[in-house]
Amino acid sequence: QKEVEQDPGPLSVPEGAIVSLNCTYSNSAFQYFMWYRQYSRKGPELLMYTYSSGNKEDGRFTAQVDKSSKYISLFIRDSQPSDSATYLCAMSAGSGNTPLVFGKGTRLSVIA
Amino acid sequence: DAGVTQSPTHLIKTRGQQVTLRCSPKSGHDTVSWYQQALGQGPQFIFQYYEEEERQRGNFPDRFSGHQFPNYSSELNVNALLLGDSALYLCASSFWEGSEKLFFGSGTQLSVL
Repeated sequence: QKEVEQDPGPLSVPEGAIVSLNCTYSNSAFQYFMWYRQYSRKGPELLMYTYSSGNKEDGRFTAQVDKSSKYISLFIRDSQPSDSATYLCAMSAGSGNTPLVFGKGTRLSVIA
Repeated sequence: DAGVTQSPTHLIKTRGQQVTLRCSPKSGHDTVSWYQQALGQGPQFIFQYYEEEERQRGNFPDRFSGHQFPNYSSELNVNALLLGDSALYLCASSFWEGSEKLFFGSGTQLSVL
């Protein structure tokens, strides 16, 4: 079993839809959870960052962490064609210099 | 404020050759990490440099080596290239203390023929 599992999609939704992206993980030591957005031929861009369990909201984006279920989610409200990208979940066990463990990424297309 | 910059953007090599990739971290950052991203996969950690020393290393062979310079910039060297080394190589910078947030460059796309 991989440490971080993420459905690679692709996921195709109409403009304005609510998008739900998810990851599961096996390492209970993970405490820091991140979502990165990666456009084609570009590096990942940090989108959301959460420590431990709970919710975090930033504009149209909401990140949720459920450590008891080892499950994290990213919700995108009122999705736009510009949201079309690959979304990578990432997590680490420690602070600062602990390497990130990434999921495979979910490819999202928002159709106008 | 310049972000993380990497060079070159694209590179084509043949099997057995050696390659050097370069990275300048985001202004103020002192730690550089390198990741390999194969097509359709998430990035995988190669190694991390701080104070010009390799601090942590992922599951990569010794053919992968690196260096960090006093100005915090870094190089990734890969010897005896294999076809399987074809990937996007990403440099990420951060603070050694107090931040879990990595900032990535746009990467170097390496093709090994």
